[in-house]
Amino acid sequence: GAGVSQSPSNKVTEKGKDVELRCDPISGHTALYWYRQSLGQGLEFLIYFQGNSAPDKSGLPSDRFSAERTGGSVSTLTIQRTQQEDSAVYLCASSSKDRGSEAFFGQGTRLTVV
Amino acid sequence: AQKVTQAQTEISVVEKEDVTLDCVYETRDTTYYLFWYKQPPSGELVFLIRRNSFDEQNEISGRYSWNFQKSTSSFNFTITASQVVDSAVYFCALSEAGRGYSTLTFGKGTMLLVSP
Repeated sequence: GAGVSQSPSNKVTEKGKDVELRCDPISGHTALYWYRQSLGQGLEFLIYFQGNSAPDKSGLPSDRFSAERTGGSVSTLTIQRTQQEDSAVYLCASSSKDRGSEAFFGQGTRLTVV
Repeated sequence: AQKVTQAQTEISVVEKEDVTLDCVYETRDTTYYLFWYKQPPSGELVFLIRRNSFDEQNEISGRYSWNFQKSTSSFNFTITASQVVDSAVYFCALSEAGRGYSTLTFGKGTMLLVSP
């Protein structure tokens, strides 16, 4: 498809387990973002990748969260030792390198930590 | 620090009514971009519009129109003759030169319910 693809769409995990969330951006988009959407906090920025530059990790809430982007395309967000407060929808977006260009979002991964 | 405020948490209207969604922003930058996104029940954020800080012309796209006023730091969104399919959560967002335009600061969103 032509849009941003995320998998899985839903994930239920036990507290303390690690999870990996995957994002496949729009082909040709050099910028990739992860956001988290939860009831209490709205939409929060987590991390940003642009080409081969060092990622902006300023939004990651703790060192349990990490992300990588391989080959400038697919990205994986990893949450280690999940906690109940990590339950949220994790949204991935991509955009072109143009300044201020709009971000296109995937449908998200709903993570539930039980 | 950057901030986007959508004071209206939820708005309910009857089909064919006009409705305006408010957005007020704060930024220290003189160059920035403003966005509106729609999030229908399916969950995917859909891009609606982008405006840069140097372009205060109002924009109309079908039943949608946007009023950007730098003097009041507002970027309001009006839906004319609302329809049930307009029911969604609408987010206003800001990206700034100071952060390399790389990230979006979102408002909390306004849930619009349009009933038949």
